[in-house]
Amino acid sequence: AQKITQTQPGMFVQEKEAVTLDCTYDTSDPSYGLFWYKQPSSGEMIFLIYQGSYDQQNATEGRYSLNFQKARKSANLVISASQLGDSAMYFCAMRLDQTGANNLFFGTGTRLTVIP
Amino acid sequence: DSGVTQTPKHLITATGQRVTLRCSPRSGDLSVYWYQQSLDQGLQFLIQYYNGEERAKGNILERFSAQQFPDLHSELNLSSLELGDSALYFCASSVSSGATNEKLFFGSGTQLSVL
Repeated sequence: AQKITQTQPGMFVQEKEAVTLDCTYDTSDPSYGLFWYKQPSSGEMIFLIYQGSYDQQNATEGRYSLNFQKARKSANLVISASQLGDSAMYFCAMRLDQTGANNLFFGTGTRLTVIP
Repeated sequence: DSGVTQTPKHLITATGQRVTLRCSPRSGDLSVYWYQQSLDQGLQFLIQYYNGEERAKGNILERFSAQQFPDLHSELNLSSLELGDSALYFCASSVSSGATNEKLFFGSGTQLSVL
């Protein structure tokens, strides 16, 4: 069965510093997608970045990058030059290439606090 | 703004009651997903509809039901409500039936409080 694990309930980072949020996953499927979403205090879920299991290069989207280590089954999110507005919950999610089960499975999230 | 509209934003009701949550997907999106977010269960997938048909089912209780209408909006019906049903209910949409690289765009959620 598929599983997403985020072991850091909370993280603190100084403004303008970089921070890494950990995510490990477990699946026996060769084809899958990995996503990161941000949930600010206002509640909405905002898509940040996507990595496919067959992608050779790590995904990047502005200040966000995904450190994808397939053999270790990890998909860590790196946020560079943290800003106060980055304070939020961050969720790692996985999607499998299976008919009838092609929804997103989410981890438990990491609460990031950016300190001025 | 994701383009996904959920109404109402807040709902307060009593145990035993029935409520309907509504979702309008982004223009052009054919799939609608419903998720429940609670403190103890986290984000749980409930159900997916694609172009009016049920596509995938998750941890949805028998007291809950959903449908997607011809105009692609969706409703989630929750009946015989219990205190434990209090949660944030998200609707999300995507372009097609769910390829691995397909992003889900989420609405702002409906906060349900059962008293």
